[in-house]
Amino acid sequence: DGGITQSPKYLFRKEGQNVTLSCEQNLNHDAMYWYRQDPGQGLRLIYYSQIVNDFQKGDIAEGYSVSREKKESFPLTVTSAQKNPTAFYLCATRLGATEAFFGQGTRLTVV
Amino acid sequence: GQQLNQSPQSMFIQEGEDVSMNCTSSSIFNTWLWYKQDPGEGPVLLIALYKAGELTSNGRLTAQFGITRKDSFLNISASIPSDVGIYFCAGQLSGAAGNKLTFGGGTRVLVKP
Repeated sequence: DGGITQSPKYLFRKEGQNVTLSCEQNLNHDAMYWYRQDPGQGLRLIYYSQIVNDFQKGDIAEGYSVSREKKESFPLTVTSAQKNPTAFYLCATRLGATEAFFGQGTRLTVV
Repeated sequence: GQQLNQSPQSMFIQEGEDVSMNCTSSSIFNTWLWYKQDPGEGPVLLIALYKAGELTSNGRLTAQFGITRKDSFLNISASIPSDVGIYFCAGQLSGAAGNKLTFGGGTRVLVKP
């Protein structure tokens, strides 16, 4: 089945913990993106990567980290430095300047 | 960062009605994309526009890339209950680093009680 797989769908984090959200794709797209969505809001860009072993900060990168060791994978770590991490996180991929395709999202809640 | 103004923020629909929403920007975009998001799910692409003036349909949906390249609209004809959801526009600025997309704040489509 082709597409983008985000896991887990729901994630709970204790105060002070780091957690990692997974994003895997088999679309062979070069570019991958992480967005954060708060209730009733649009999407804000956290990090993006255009090629393996390279990534850039988006508009709200503070408190987050990423890696791009393989073309298929772009994991996002929410660190303890992110003071308000509760949100819906979306991973997307693009082939050049064409349409962006999204995963199903991960809902992160701080407990 | 760059903002897209999407309006209306919310609207109520009655089955069979036509609805319209739009996005505007002060900057020129070279791509406009329209998405629909259901609760707890990722956005799904509805229509992609790549040329100024382009008018594209997908079933009951029609979208246009404004001739000034600073706006786009989406029309839904003969709405049905499953049209309920949040609709987002997204645009790519000319020369955007990393082909980054900018998203509007969304239009929440609800059913009239």
